[in-house]
Amino acid sequence: DVKVTQSSRYLVKRTGEKVFLECVQDMDHENMFWYRQDPGLGLRLIYFSYDVKMKEKGDIPEGYSVSREKKERFSLILESASTNQTSMYLCAVRDRGISDTQYFGPGTRLTVL
Amino acid sequence: QQQVKQSPQSLIVQKGGISIINCAYENTAFDYFPWYQQFPGKGPALLIAIRPDVSEKKEGRFTISFNKSAKQFSLHIMDSQPGDSATYFCAAKSNAGNMLTFGGGTRLMVKP
Repeated sequence: DVKVTQSSRYLVKRTGEKVFLECVQDMDHENMFWYRQDPGLGLRLIYFSYDVKMKEKGDIPEGYSVSREKKERFSLILESASTNQTSMYLCAVRDRGISDTQYFGPGTRLTVL
Repeated sequence: QQQVKQSPQSLIVQKGGISIINCAYENTAFDYFPWYQQFPGKGPALLIAIRPDVSEKKEGRFTISFNKSAKQFSLHIMDSQPGDSATYFCAAKSNAGNMLTFGGGTRLMVKP
């Protein structure tokens, strides 16, 4: 199984701050994802990366950007945090083997004051 | 536009009972339907998945039923246990795509 590590479990930031969320995988998979999880809305895809320096917008990319300089690391950036970005952020890595599984990190609970 | 609709949002079941969670999808290109289980403080983890060439898949106490014509699939948890208390997400993906589309989630509580 892929181990997915996220840099922080809890984060509190102020409106307007620049926020970096980091995700690291312990294998060599190409596909990595950033989701946000909100009650009743499930998991919504923010951005997807299919290789180093390659990215695609998901369903809700507004207010976010991403960086993938190395294969094992995928960063989510909030350029200017706003209160409506208070949420749980989940990183996932896709194993394209037989089960086609996404492995998730434990999540970062971000609060923007 | 929510392409995968999940119900109910929450569910309370007695220990030993059957838990049923339903999902409906719109995109006929979807051909991979996984269910993820999430415990508090953890990320979701793959529980069971089905492809539309079969109508049912069973793994232990967990069964997916799939109805291609109705564009619906459901998760049945037999003999539900308190340890099954978690949030469950259905999802769907097309074979050509890389991205999963998730349902809104169901919070299941199994009472002892």
